[in-house]
Amino acid sequence: DIQMTQSPSSLSASVGDRVTITCQASQDVSKYLNWYQQKPGKAPKLLIYDASNLDTGVPSRFSGSGSGTHFTFTVSSLQPDDIATYYCQQYDDLYTFGQGTKVEIK
Amino acid sequence: QVTLKESGPTLVEPTQTLTLTCSFSGFSLSTSGVGVGWIRQSPGKALEWLALIYWDDDKRYSPSLKSRLTITKDTSKNQVVLIMTNMDPVDTATYYCARLLTGFDYWGQGTLVTVSS
Repeated sequence: DIQMTQSPSSLSASVGDRVTITCQASQDVSKYLNWYQQKPGKAPKLLIYDASNLDTGVPSRFSGSGSGTHFTFTVSSLQPDDIATYYCQQYDDLYTFGQGTKVEIK
Repeated sequence: QVTLKESGPTLVEPTQTLTLTCSFSGFSLSTSGVGVGWIRQSPGKALEWLALIYWDDDKRYSPSLKSRLTITKDTSKNQVVLIMTNMDPVDTATYYCARLLTGFDYWGQGTLVTVSS
């Protein structure tokens, strides 16, 4: 089974800050990595697919990069609406989610 | 407009079998490349993928739960059914169904299933 490890597990940042979350795969998943945003009490929302492609309608302040085993998710300028938990998910071999990163406003 | 909605019991007793139905609209599960998956989330915990069925009836299961899961589809009814046997209190969670295309791009609202006697 492929394990996905996100870091940090939580972070606090100010509005306008650049925020970065990393996701490490236990084995090579090529580019088969998605990122989701989940707000409290809501279903997750797909933000980025294939490691770096923005899903339709997703603001350009969100971005993703990486391949193989190391991936990065970035919010270029944190907004109050970005308060959520973010998950990475691989689909190279079945489907595995990371443990999530909770983003809060400082 | 793509929508999905989960339905099923909210309370299940330990050892019972859970049957959940995902009813969807706005897409067809006979379209090449499309799948519908089930993902759950225990209270305060991370997302956990359970099962997925593809347009060609290929099926995939989480290795840790494979012996307890069955996923089926009824293309004519636009429904996907998940069966989970031998329910335990640790299976208490919100269960989501979601469409798979580029990623899980559309999700249902989720249904909370509590396992308790």
